[in-house]
Amino acid sequence: SQQGEEDPQALSIQEGENATMNCSYKTSINNLQWYRQNSGRGLVHLILIRSNEREKHSGRLRVTLDTSKKSSSLLITASRAADTASYFCATDAVETSGSRLTFGEGTQLTVNP
Amino acid sequence: NAGVTQTPKFQVLKTGQSMTLQCAQDMNHEYMSWYRQDPGMGLRLIHYSVGAGITDQGEVPNGYNVSRSTTEDFPLRLLSAAPSQTSVYFCASRRRGLNYGYTFGSGTRLTVV
Repeated sequence: SQQGEEDPQALSIQEGENATMNCSYKTSINNLQWYRQNSGRGLVHLILIRSNEREKHSGRLRVTLDTSKKSSSLLITASRAADTASYFCATDAVETSGSRLTFGEGTQLTVNP
Repeated sequence: NAGVTQTPKFQVLKTGQSMTLQCAQDMNHEYMSWYRQDPGMGLRLIHYSVGAGITDQGEVPNGYNVSRSTTEDFPLRLLSAAPSQTSVYFCASRRRGLNYGYTFGSGTRLTVV
């Protein structure tokens, strides 16, 4: 079963607006990561937040993590048409035999020019 | 650096055929994983590895085998293809440690008829 559940499943906004996507997860984690996937392409790592961090910024991205609620949010500020993509949260649990990255089902973001 | 290279990009198989999806990375990453992506289901972990000779099963391992004889290569073998294995397959890698993101390949689109 999927570790993460993302909300909303689809989001349509105008260029310049902010986009917020939410993610919930079920088990203990070492970190939570966000990835972007353009249509027909592979996933690109955007940002990672550790389990002992509450907020992290990278350019126009802001990620928050609430481990008590097992939830995270990704904020993209001043969105651009080029931000149109699917966004996935993923939780990482490191085990003896490797790292298990478990994905949510994603949010499809459309930024209209 | 090429990053993570997956071959082939597209493949059509008949039910019952076997094949190997190739994955190679040139970043000296210890951790490697295989995922499948189906519409509406996000990415699901098939197998993963922490280094040469060490592999483990993910969420959906049935019908797939892996081996890791070198750090660079992590092939995924379909033993007897079934229509349910029609999917897009992604290979990913990252360096050892707690807080690193994954680098993904561009994927193999597999259709089983």
